[in-house]
Amino acid sequence: NAGVTQTPKFQVLKTGQSMTLQCAQDMNHNSMYWYRQDPGMGLRLIYYSASEGTTDKGEVPNGYNVSRLNKREFSLRLESAAPSQTSVYFCASSEFPGGITEAFFGQGTRLTVV
Amino acid sequence: GDSVTQMEGPVTLSEEAFLTINCTYTATGYPSLFWYVQYPGEGLQLLLKATKADDKGSNKGFEATYRKETTSFHLEKGSVQVSDSAVYFCALSDRGSQGNLIFGKGTKLSVKP
Repeated sequence: NAGVTQTPKFQVLKTGQSMTLQCAQDMNHNSMYWYRQDPGMGLRLIYYSASEGTTDKGEVPNGYNVSRLNKREFSLRLESAAPSQTSVYFCASSEFPGGITEAFFGQGTRLTVV
Repeated sequence: GDSVTQMEGPVTLSEEAFLTINCTYTATGYPSLFWYVQYPGEGLQLLLKATKADDKGSNKGFEATYRKETTSFHLEKGSVQVSDSAVYFCALSDRGSQGNLIFGKGTKLSVKP
């Protein structure tokens, strides 16, 4: 039972490069999320998808785009990476939005932009 | 807007010591409250939750009581173990956050043998 799977686990990018972080869940959850975790900042919501076919901005969406490809998959794209996007990125899913049901997290992607 | 404030770390305790991590919140409605735990190199996982005032969440010896009058949800454990070393996040969800989780900054706990 994989839960939430993120790829890749580690990535180093040069400033200006683009990349897509992949996330898939096998729990048939409706809602999916992308967070970034920075030292001393906790987790901040980048984008979320309350249900298949919808996406919305979170607290820190600038510089990112997302695609809810289907119910299972929710990808995060950096079009032109900047050093300020160096962070650990977590994907999460829940049966329903937010705290009504438990959120399950992937193991994270550690991204460094040089 | 909604927010969560939790005590700054790191917190270092000896095994079998009593643990308290303070958490207070600001919310527009009547939020649900959570504690998530992140072990080294892993994602977050739910530790416990409470969905209304005076509820007590508990799991693995950890407890937290939803106090509406003090807008608090402090995490406690009577006797910590080395295996409890982790980062603990307080979080809320309510109408003001469109149901999304709002996290505190996290408190790193280290337990020494």
